[in-house]
Amino acid sequence: SQTIHQWPATLVQPVGSPLSLECTVEGTSNPNLYWYRQAAGRGLQLLFYSVGIGQISSEVPQNLSASRPQDRQFILSSKKLLLSDSGFYLCAWSPLMIPSGNTIYFGEGSWLTVV
Amino acid sequence: AQSVSQHNHHVILSEAASLELGCNYSYGGTVNLFWYVQYPGQHLQLLLKYFSGDPLVKGIKGFEAEFIKSKFSFNLRKPSVQWSDTAEYFCAVTPHGGTDKLIFGTGTRLQVFP
Repeated sequence: SQTIHQWPATLVQPVGSPLSLECTVEGTSNPNLYWYRQAAGRGLQLLFYSVGIGQISSEVPQNLSASRPQDRQFILSSKKLLLSDSGFYLCAWSPLMIPSGNTIYFGEGSWLTVV
Repeated sequence: AQSVSQHNHHVILSEAASLELGCNYSYGGTVNLFWYVQYPGQHLQLLLKYFSGDPLVKGIKGFEAEFIKSKFSFNLRKPSVQWSDTAEYFCAVTPHGGTDKLIFGTGTRLQVFP
């Protein structure tokens, strides 16, 4: 069966420090991969999605970047964190789109607090 | 751009009360619609989804949702809630034939008291 893992689960980082959140998917090939952020009172915001290795689409302008160095690995990064980057970050995957509307499966999430 | 509105931000109910959570979306074309639930300390998980066919969709744990195309709505319902339904509920939409990127609403926090 397919599984998705992301780490670290919690992170407290000072302003201006770098960030790296990692996500891996097991048990499937060529997944679509996503990074979402859940900020208080703002629901889930799609940050990045990827349909293949090295293919990243950014949904919102921001201080973050994403990379997909391997088929089932998705990394969220920042060179210098801002206070506004605090939030709950969710990695997710969906099967390669065949008919549209495939279900998306979420990881456990990573709490980031920038201090 | 697509958007999803959930007008109830926080709902408090007693056990056995009926539940209806509103969800409206803005998109001119055909959409796929979802309700996700996040129980305290757990992953987001799918509650139910609508792709096509019968607009009344049954999900897990006695939940159902009705797609009303003319109203651009996909409200979630349950006739009798339980304490274990305490969670945050998210409505989401993705364009039919799109890249499967889900657009979420801001969520509704449901608290059920025994």
